[in-house]
Amino acid sequence: EVQLVQSGAEVKKPGESLKISCKGDGSTLTHYWIAWVRQTPEKGLEWLGMIYPADSDTRYRPSFRGQITMSADKSINTAYLQWSSLKASDSAIYYCARPRVTGRLDAFDLWGQGTRVIVST
Amino acid sequence: EIVLTQSPATLSLSPGERATLSCRASQSVSANYLAWFQQKPGQAPRLLIYDASSRATDIPDRFSASGSGTDFTLTISRLEPEDFAGYYCQQYANSPYTFGQGTKLEIK
Repeated sequence: EVQLVQSGAEVKKPGESLKISCKGDGSTLTHYWIAWVRQTPEKGLEWLGMIYPADSDTRYRPSFRGQITMSADKSINTAYLQWSSLKASDSAIYYCARPRVTGRLDAFDLWGQGTRVIVST
Repeated sequence: EIVLTQSPATLSLSPGERATLSCRASQSVSANYLAWFQQKPGQAPRLLIYDASSRATDIPDRFSASGSGTDFTLTISRLEPEDFAGYYCQQYANSPYTFGQGTKLEIK
């Protein structure tokens, strides 16, 4: 079964760094645009950006540029989302998602299980 | 940025009834690149519909969708108990790829 497997829940303090992962299991991620989506009760679902692991081309939502960093290691079929200095407002569930087709953005038909991030003193 | 407005926010219906959910875009969604997702508590979203009207793999035919430009509709012809969940539309035509705020379909 093809699936995206995300790293486990995290509890961090403001100012700390964090890197969460999304691994393709049963299917290569290399030629798909892998998106990161966050979900909060206040703002619902938000697309943060996406990365193309084949060449690490990255597109960020303007409001998140400089706040997060997306990366990928195609040799281990894994995408990453990281923060250098977390804020309480980064508390959310973060999903990775893969579109239906390779090479371009399309509807997301494969989702990770989500990583809950809690940032609190 | 394309803003998607879903209505109603909450829809209360009984099993067997027909559900009609709306998604309105602030500007035209080119190529009808609009998707609908179902989300149950504690789960990731599940793709129901892509390209405004095409059912995704393994989605029952009681789910249908239509629309173009700025007005889109998801219809569930006869509600089953497992259909009571949250529903979201999303456009993937223009970055940033925005979601609607969702419709909660609850049991009456």
